[in-house]
Amino acid sequence: GAVVSQHPSRVICKSGTSVKIECRSLDFQATTMFWYRQFPKQSLMLMATSNEGSKATYEQGVEKDKFLINHASLTLSTLTVTSAHPEDSSFYICSALKTGVGTEAFFGQGTRLTVV
Amino acid sequence: GEDVEQSLFLSVREGDSSVINCTYTDSSSTYLYWYKQEPGAGLQLLTYIFSNMDMKQDQRLTVLLNKKDKHLSLRIADTQTGDSAIYFCAERYNQGGKLIFGQGTELSVKP
Repeated sequence: GAVVSQHPSRVICKSGTSVKIECRSLDFQATTMFWYRQFPKQSLMLMATSNEGSKATYEQGVEKDKFLINHASLTLSTLTVTSAHPEDSSFYICSALKTGVGTEAFFGQGTRLTVV
Repeated sequence: GEDVEQSLFLSVREGDSSVINCTYTDSSSTYLYWYKQEPGAGLQLLTYIFSNMDMKQDQRLTVLLNKKDKHLSLRIADTQTGDSAIYFCAERYNQGGKLIFGQGTELSVKP
């Protein structure tokens, strides 16, 4: 398989501050990465598709100014939650698309964000 | 629009077989996946099936696909306590790699 590393795995921040989450593909290049959000006991909700070198594509209802995505290299995408509020507390998971003979999405370990 | 449905809970005894079911709506899906999520962790790809296949077996895992009924199932043979987790089915929506997930089935394995 392929390895996707997400950092940090857990973060607590104060309301009004910004938090950056990194998603790295360690052993392959990924022009496309995805950011998901997961509430407790619920499924994954796709937030945005991150494309290397271009603007991210956001799903309906996701505020692009609040959830800033930067995909500056073929191995790194970042999600910045700006001016975080308690309702932003959630589990955020990224996945990186590995293309080749078969195209597969590999997931990071997730980041537990708690805003206090 | 696309939609994926799963039952929320399944409880089995250790050593029994588990069958987790999933229905989807997008008939143009090319791949269907099963992921496993343990508490506080990311998703682990268990297996997948291409839409032109009916069945795929991989050790203890058997995936059955009924494309006519848009029904997907995952059978885990000889279920162990370590199999306790949440299992998500997902369909790939078009060729862009975007996945649509079901709600997840929480599998509880009792000794």
